[in-house]
Amino acid sequence: DTGVSQDPRHKITKRGQNVTFRCDPISEHNRLYWYRQTLGQGPEFLTYFQNEAQLEKSRLLSDRFSAERPKGSFSTLEIQRTEQGDSAMYLCASSLDVGLSPLHFGNGTRLTVT
Amino acid sequence: DAKTTQPNSMESNEEEPVHLPCNHSTISGTDYIHWYRQLPSQGPEYVIHGLTSNVNNRMASLAIAEDRKSSTLILHRATLRDAAVYYCILLYAGGTSYGKLTFGQGTILTVHP
Repeated sequence: DTGVSQDPRHKITKRGQNVTFRCDPISEHNRLYWYRQTLGQGPEFLTYFQNEAQLEKSRLLSDRFSAERPKGSFSTLEIQRTEQGDSAMYLCASSLDVGLSPLHFGNGTRLTVT
Repeated sequence: DAKTTQPNSMESNEEEPVHLPCNHSTISGTDYIHWYRQLPSQGPEYVIHGLTSNVNNRMASLAIAEDRKSSTLILHRATLRDAAVYYCILLYAGGTSYGKLTFGQGTILTVHP
């Protein structure tokens, strides 16, 4: 079990720059989720994919955010024109496409916008 | 989504049992009770879930009140590795449900050697 892999682990960027994060889910998992977590808070749901289809997006996902999962395997989350308020841990999770299958989380990408 | 209420923090000594409570008075009949935990600098980790009956797995036990308005996560012998934030989450099991988790603040568990 290789687990959910996220890259990079840390990213420091200047305000206004674009950043892209990658998530590689567990290979047989059709469901993929992105969450965001700020310091001292629980993770917040951002978006959900079933295979390559993006089925739900949170209001938190402004038009500067875009997520893709082009072949139903890995996923990318891009943030354009980053703001200091985007500084957070971005977590990816995957699960089997069965009922309420448990989510397996990666260890996240920590974004710092200066 | 129905909400859960957990204590902000709890403390335990190593090798002693820990009972982590969760109140969910507005739970509906199709809500499952899920527990996740998050160790420092890691993503959340699934612990256990249940609907009505008590559940056991290799990590923990879940005791669910008869009226389902509360539940308790039981760690039978706490270790230092169990120090984490524990989240109690309700998941609706109807229709085309999937794992959209709504995390609260959770309970910070401190384990003393």
